[in-house]
Amino acid sequence: NAGVTQTPKFQVLKTGQSMTLQCAQDMNHNSMYWYRQDPGMGLRLIYYSASEGTTDKGEVPNGYNVSRLNKREFSLRLESAAPSQTSVYFCAGGHGFPYEQYFGPGTRLTVT
Amino acid sequence: QQQVKQSPQSLIVQKGGIPIINCAYENTAFDYFPWYQQFPGKGPALLIAIRPDVSEKKEGRFTISFNKSAKQFSLHIMDSQPGDSATYFCAASMSGPTDKLIFGTGTRLQVFP
Repeated sequence: NAGVTQTPKFQVLKTGQSMTLQCAQDMNHNSMYWYRQDPGMGLRLIYYSASEGTTDKGEVPNGYNVSRLNKREFSLRLESAAPSQTSVYFCAGGHGFPYEQYFGPGTRLTVT
Repeated sequence: QQQVKQSPQSLIVQKGGIPIINCAYENTAFDYFPWYQQFPGKGPALLIAIRPDVSEKKEGRFTISFNKSAKQFSLHIMDSQPGDSATYFCAASMSGPTDKLIFGTGTRLQVFP
């Protein structure tokens, strides 16, 4: 099993460009999450999907959209990238209670 | 009320020392408190977790101490090793229709030989 996979690993965008970060899991997780990690700020939840067909905003959703394409895939889209979105993005999956989440390897995004 | 406050931000210990990382929370509805370990260039991974009905949980060299009345919990690493050098995050969650985790800001631990 690959677990949780993310593509791409690295990306550089210019301000105003758009892109989609891909996440897939083969662990039959019901829930999937997108986080951003910034120095000194820990992991902040952007969006999550409690089950296939549902999505909800997390702590920092502005500037992002998500799609839960099917049970396996959960993508994060930046419509018009801004330098403030420079970060490391992690996708995670979970089965719900007791809430263990399994993280992917991350995507390092730089917006210039 | 949703915050989890973590300290210290960084910690340096010698091999064999016992680093202690502390977390505090406000929301008494939280009922699950995990710790995640993250190595450079990797995603976080669950290390150990505790429910509020117990005051301590041990797994190998890692121990969580939980003080429900003070709304605090801490991670102790016994006989620390250079391989324990990583960033540690505490988190909290509550029972309900979603299983969101609220993470602390992280502690970067360095263990020197």
